[in-house]
Amino acid sequence: DTAVSQTPKYLVTQMGNDKSIKCEQNLGHDTMYWYKQDSKKFLKIMFSYNNKELIINETVPNRFSPKSPDKAHLNLHINSLELGDSAVYFCASSQRDGNSPLHFGNGTRLTVT
Amino acid sequence: GESVGLHLPTLSVQEGDNSIINCAYSNSASDYFIWYKQESGKGPQFIIDIRSNMDKRQGQRVTVLLNKTVKHLSLQIAATQPGDSAVYFCAENMDSNYQLIWGAGTKLIIKP
Repeated sequence: DTAVSQTPKYLVTQMGNDKSIKCEQNLGHDTMYWYKQDSKKFLKIMFSYNNKELIINETVPNRFSPKSPDKAHLNLHINSLELGDSAVYFCASSQRDGNSPLHFGNGTRLTVT
Repeated sequence: GESVGLHLPTLSVQEGDNSIINCAYSNSASDYFIWYKQESGKGPQFIIDIRSNMDKRQGQRVTVLLNKTVKHLSLQIAATQPGDSAVYFCAENMDSNYQLIWGAGTKLIIKP
């Protein structure tokens, strides 16, 4: 009965590869997010979708492309992976806007070698 | 730019004592504040929130205090337990914006 689930939990890959991280929420929330957490634990928003519509697209390389097939899913595809992409990526959802609590997945630790 | 910051990156507390984690914010127009707890290997977990029309809000063993005069937010944890060990984040929002402004996090260490 996991609320926000993302897969895989760990992802180790080489530079230049393309990879995807999947996220699903069963809370019935309208809004989903992708966050990046660096080694110093700083959380940075990357994207946000509301009812499958992109509403936040922060300054991230265009190698990162989110896809929302329906409002319960928000996947993240990364092309041409670089060393600096190594981080923990968190998916989250909220019932509506930023004034409702976010529910996070347990993260995907991406290591690029 | 405006941001949310924390005074202490690491806080060590004796088990059973009360913990106080502080947060300063600079955007006086922020109207919603929220605390998250992140345990090792997990995503941040909602603890408690407060809106700007309140000064205090209590949950189970936790209390959030908001001082709008000095733009200060604090999280108090009563009778700290080993399970409270985590990194705690404060965040602020304004006008129901989808983009929260996050603090840097405070690591709470519980001494036995």
